[in-house]
Amino acid sequence: EVQLVESGGGLVQPGGSLRLSCEASGFTFSSYVMSWVRQAPGKGLEWVAAISDSGTGTYYADSVKGRFTISRDNSKNTLYLQMNSLRAEDTALYYCAKDQGLHCGSGWCTGDYWGQGTLVTVSP
Amino acid sequence: DIVMTQSPDSLAVSLGERATINCKSSRSVLYRSNNKNYLAWYQQKPGQPPKLLIYWASTRESGVPDRFSGSGSGTDFTLTISSLQAEDVAVYYCQQYYSTSVTFGPGTKVDIK
Repeated sequence: EVQLVESGGGLVQPGGSLRLSCEASGFTFSSYVMSWVRQAPGKGLEWVAAISDSGTGTYYADSVKGRFTISRDNSKNTLYLQMNSLRAEDTALYYCAKDQGLHCGSGWCTGDYWGQGTLVTVSP
Repeated sequence: DIVMTQSPDSLAVSLGERATINCKSSRSVLYRSNNKNYLAWYQQKPGQPPKLLIYWASTRESGVPDRFSGSGSGTDFTLTISSLQAEDVAVYYCQQYYSTSVTFGPGTKVDIK
């Protein structure tokens, strides 16, 4: 059974940093592109970042480029999101999502498995 | 970025009736070399993560009931629920993956009338 379990969320002040983790199990983690998608309270879905199966390719939404860094450790089956210079508008539930494997290009295509999310709140 | 829009914002349909949600992309998401539309649909129920329903605009994900169907090409797409069930109450999102920077529509809330 595929499982994705996010952790690391919490309350942080504007300008602060946080590192999210996503532990994966039930599939060959090193074979799939992975992504972070966020959802602000009561709002829609926003793709944040993606990383290739090997970790050599990374992709970011303009809203987080230069502030967030996605990475992975395939030996630990874990995905990370380092978030720096956090802003109030980064407040959201952050989901980890496995790529379905459609090979649509170089990035993440569609998410066939999602975690339950970890909540990040940026507030003074 | 490719901008996705959806209509209506919300709709209420009687049990057993048809629900139709529209999605429009600011640029074509049809990749001509393989004739595939890079468009997916998700269902999100309260307190749950999104669930993939449809990909390649019209291919149902495994386990998704056949009352859900997707259609359209280029820039205009439709998700149809042929006979609404109580468990279909949710927000539905379209998503393009033509661009590496994938984008989602704003969502359409479906309720029971």
